[in-house]
Amino acid sequence: SQKIEQNSEALNIQEGKTATLTCNYTNYSPAYLQWYRQDPGRGPVFLLLIRENEKEKRKERLKVTFDTTLKQSLFHITASQPADSATYLCALETGNTGKLIFGQGTTLQVKP
Amino acid sequence: ETGVTQTPRHLVMGMTNKKSLKCEQHLGHNAMYWYKQSAKKPLELMFVYSLEERVENNSVPSRFSPECPNSSHLFLHLHTLQPEDSALYLCASSLGHENTQYFGPGTRLTVL
Repeated sequence: SQKIEQNSEALNIQEGKTATLTCNYTNYSPAYLQWYRQDPGRGPVFLLLIRENEKEKRKERLKVTFDTTLKQSLFHITASQPADSATYLCALETGNTGKLIFGQGTTLQVKP
Repeated sequence: ETGVTQTPRHLVMGMTNKKSLKCEQHLGHNAMYWYKQSAKKPLELMFVYSLEERVENNSVPSRFSPECPNSSHLFLHLHTLQPEDSALYLCASSLGHENTQYFGPGTRLTVL
């Protein structure tokens, strides 16, 4: 069965630096992959979706890459700010209607 | 907020109680989901409803009983829960095959 691993449970960086979060999967390549942000005590919020035929997607300071050979997605936040501190989740579609598998998340802390 | 509401936001119940969680979406979506989120664990999909029909039931114990009376409302009926059922219960909705999900704020459930 498909397994997802996000590189680390926690990541601490200095304000202004680029944060890079990793999502690896073990089995088949999904048709698309999504990234969500979750703040404490709240539901996840959708950020970006990238399809299997797309190498890179950008949205403001966010960039996502998708390498089906490495079975990996990288999520970058450039010029990071303390307000970017949150837990970031990657999610893969499984080919079944309505079903996503989520990673355990990486908690990013941006220090001023 | 995201257009998905959940009530109550917090719930404390004994093991012999019966309670219900409610979710409502105002986005015109045609699929709704229940997830369980425990500390340090990935989001676990519990149930999926598509066009008011249950299409996924992830081996969830029968003490959890979902109900979807129409495409805007979703309930999770709870009875004789166990302390290990304490978690954040998240509702989500989506539209379309790319399945971007919109989450509610969750119900923090504590079972004593």
